[in-house]
Amino acid sequence: KNQVEQSPQSLIILEGKNCTLQCNYTVSPFSNLRWYKQDTGRGPVSLTIMTFSENTKSNGRYTATLDADTKQSSLHITASQLSDSASYICVVSAQGNNRLAFGKGNQVVVIP
Amino acid sequence: DVKVTQSSRYLVKRTGEKVFLECVQDMDHENMFWYRQDPGLGLRLIYFSYDVKMKEKGDIPEGYSVSREKKERFSLILESASTNQTSMYLCASSYAGHRGNTIYFGEGSWLTVV
Repeated sequence: KNQVEQSPQSLIILEGKNCTLQCNYTVSPFSNLRWYKQDTGRGPVSLTIMTFSENTKSNGRYTATLDADTKQSSLHITASQLSDSASYICVVSAQGNNRLAFGKGNQVVVIP
Repeated sequence: DVKVTQSSRYLVKRTGEKVFLECVQDMDHENMFWYRQDPGLGLRLIYFSYDVKMKEKGDIPEGYSVSREKKERFSLILESASTNQTSMYLCASSYAGHRGNTIYFGEGSWLTVV
């Protein structure tokens, strides 16, 4: 079973609207959680990274939240733009472990 | 800006050929990684290295080997390419420890084995 589950798998939103992507994880003991944006045919680019003590972090129109008690994170995109069309990948790492657990990504398509 | 450079963006190779995928990073990172990414499967770790000449198997090392002779360079080798190795390969690097450290990815290498 994948240790990182993302939902929805894909969604289509109108330009200018907001959307929220979900990430649930079972990785333990938790170290940090990252959100990456991956444009089609490109490598992933870091958006945010949060450790146990952080429950929200913003990067421009992207805001990530973390609830370490329920092992859930969300990525909120505000006032979406066409350039937000991409796959958003949740990545969780455990303490004392070089391995990363990857979600399969949320595919977002923004339409005019 | 941190840069992770993968030498080949697109390759087409024949079954049985030996394939080299090269990756270079310019941030003096200790850790380097090779992943493959397939639709519906996400990123899967092939190998990683935490120091020069050191390597550890990831989740799917079969059919692959790696080389890290210099700190900045991490090579992925397919000894005898097969069609099921057709995929996008991503190299990444980070400072040691992972904790709170950003992982930087290259742009990816699309390999097609025919």
